[in-house]
Amino acid sequence: GAVVSQHPSRVICKSGTSVKIECRSLDFQATTMFWYRQFPKQSLMLMATSNEGSKATYEQGVEKDKFLINHASLTLSTLTVTSAHPEDSSFYICSARGAGGAYEQYFGPGTRLTVT
Amino acid sequence: AQSVAQPEDQVNVAEGNPLTVKCTYSVSGNPYLFWYVQYPNRGLQFLLKYITGDNLVKGSYGFEAEFNKSQTSFHLKKPSALVSDSALYFCAVKGLGGANNLFFGTGTRLTVIP
Repeated sequence: GAVVSQHPSRVICKSGTSVKIECRSLDFQATTMFWYRQFPKQSLMLMATSNEGSKATYEQGVEKDKFLINHASLTLSTLTVTSAHPEDSSFYICSARGAGGAYEQYFGPGTRLTVT
Repeated sequence: AQSVAQPEDQVNVAEGNPLTVKCTYSVSGNPYLFWYVQYPNRGLQFLLKYITGDNLVKGSYGFEAEFNKSQTSFHLKKPSALVSDSALYFCAVKGLGGANNLFFGTGTRLTVIP
């Protein structure tokens, strides 16, 4: 149980284009989903937290107009990187947390974004 | 503010030997602590957590962690390391109050030498 999928696993796009990454909880309802960014050999940086049906809460320094997050249902959240630039190239990881008292997050396998 | 620290970037251990990956925390109130493992180009996998109760927590793949309040530590341990345990390990602490987010340490790369 507690499986989270991400799609695509790897994407290459040209500078100036937009890319959408999907995060799905496959066997549980995720009331809260999180989006992280991980640079090589570094820890995870929380970008934003989203609750189903409401606007995402962005961490300080994260541009909400550039990283659009939609949490339309209890099993799906999307991250759209708009007008991507090479500096947006990174490993993006989503996680999901179910309802109730369990605080652990379950992570997707990540998406490697390369902007050329 | 709450945070965790992983003082070792790299830990090497021989296969079959016990392993320890260190984590210390700083939090006001009772800490909710977690360990995750990350294999190359993969997301994080949950290993174990401490919320309350016994100080020794058992988790997946034979890992355990000991919560030590006096030393503000939550070290990850395994009695006998396997080569397949080689990975990046992250300690994390939950945000305060109703916050759901986790704050991660910088990670420790474990290498088990055959």
